[in-house]
Amino acid sequence: DAKTTQPTSMDCAEGRAANLPCNHSTISGNEYVYWYRQIHSQGPQYIIHGLKNNETNEMASLIITEDRKSSTLILPHATLRDTAVYYCIVRVATYSGYALNFGKGTSLLVTP
Amino acid sequence: NAGVMQNPRHLVRRRGQEARLRCSPMKGHSHVYWYRQLPEEGLKFMVYLQKENIIDESGMPKERFSAEFPKEGPSILRIQQVVRGDSAAYFCASSPDSSGNEQFFGPGTRLTVL
Repeated sequence: DAKTTQPTSMDCAEGRAANLPCNHSTISGNEYVYWYRQIHSQGPQYIIHGLKNNETNEMASLIITEDRKSSTLILPHATLRDTAVYYCIVRVATYSGYALNFGKGTSLLVTP
Repeated sequence: NAGVMQNPRHLVRRRGQEARLRCSPMKGHSHVYWYRQLPEEGLKFMVYLQKENIIDESGMPKERFSAEFPKEGPSILRIQQVVRGDSAAYFCASSPDSSGNEQFFGPGTRLTVL
């Protein structure tokens, strides 16, 4: 699976959009981009995933650049409960249920 | 629909003892993953199981660690002769199919080895 690079930490004011970048310059054509988050001491929570088209769900939007070398997770209106570590993961989505390889992620702090 | 359940939530063992961690997947899920998280680190994959089968154990330490997912009952991660370096949070996740696209995680078991 391709390696990802994320900033160690970011701050965001409550109510503003949080834009979390991820660099995956070695991504290959059959690899998807996944985002999970881990709120302190809890199990990770799935947010969103995509291949090349932008994706949106009730939690967030995922913007993937045309060359797929980077992506941005957008939380449109951050709340204090969005404070967490956010993990960008790249892997092949084959029907063999393979593992997620979590790096160190970005620690997002949402402030009042 | 209850989420992934893990027990115990906290487990304390002395060096040399055995640790048994249990994971009950979400209803209808037959695919289970175990991950370990050392302090200040990201999660590391250990093993992927389907009912009665180990599919991928590439992340499991070669000795002392084993996992099973029997036809009936929870998945078990077993650590024999624990050492201090086994102290970590162990998370279980489940998914409804083999794509693993969306894995639902449990609250974790925090193992402390004295």
